[in-house]
Amino acid sequence: EPEVTQTPSHQVTQMGQEVILRCVPISNHLYFYWYRQILGQKVEFLVSFYNNEISEKSEIFDDQFSVERPDGSNFTLKIRSTKLEDSAMYFCASSDAGGTGVSPLHFGNGTRLTVT
Amino acid sequence: RKEVEQDPGPFNVPEGATVAFNCTYSNSASQSFFWYRQDCRKEPKLLMSVYSSGNEDGRFTAQLNRASQYISLLIRDSKLSDSATYLCVVNGGNYQLIWGAGTKLIIKP
Repeated sequence: EPEVTQTPSHQVTQMGQEVILRCVPISNHLYFYWYRQILGQKVEFLVSFYNNEISEKSEIFDDQFSVERPDGSNFTLKIRSTKLEDSAMYFCASSDAGGTGVSPLHFGNGTRLTVT
Repeated sequence: RKEVEQDPGPFNVPEGATVAFNCTYSNSASQSFFWYRQDCRKEPKLLMSVYSSGNEDGRFTAQLNRASQYISLLIRDSKLSDSATYLCVVNGGNYQLIWGAGTKLIIKP
């Protein structure tokens, strides 16, 4: 079964550094997402991406965050200047129909980001 | 009122028992409903979509009540491996899916 893959599985960085989290969505999917989950808390939506542009973003997704699909397979999340409160598990997800009922989301295994 | 609300639990249930939990949602225009399962420190995994007529998958039954704006999940003959957090997900009428905080289920031998 096709999978969403994320790298690295764990990223440790110092406060103020830039990080890039990488995802390879399922190949025929058209909608891509980033979510995060702070330890012990609920899954939080960050951003959705379709047709090479952001379709929706949450209040969490401020100017420190950006997403890119640099080629036909990768989907990246960049955090420009990490803060301690950015420490969380970041999940990439993809779907083939916008997650609006025709097709649910398929998640990657996540990247655990630790900001020290 | 929260957009998607779940009883956080934990529900402590003996192996073999039947357990059910509900999830209420606030947006009457929501059209898509899902139950995801999340094991500790793992990614959410789709358990089942919830259809208007209700649907069953083995020991799992999901139902939708539009009038009262809730969905339910019933697990029969619970197994130790069913221990997890069950997340209710509802679409908000756009691309964004609204996630509940999850209900923690612990199956005891």
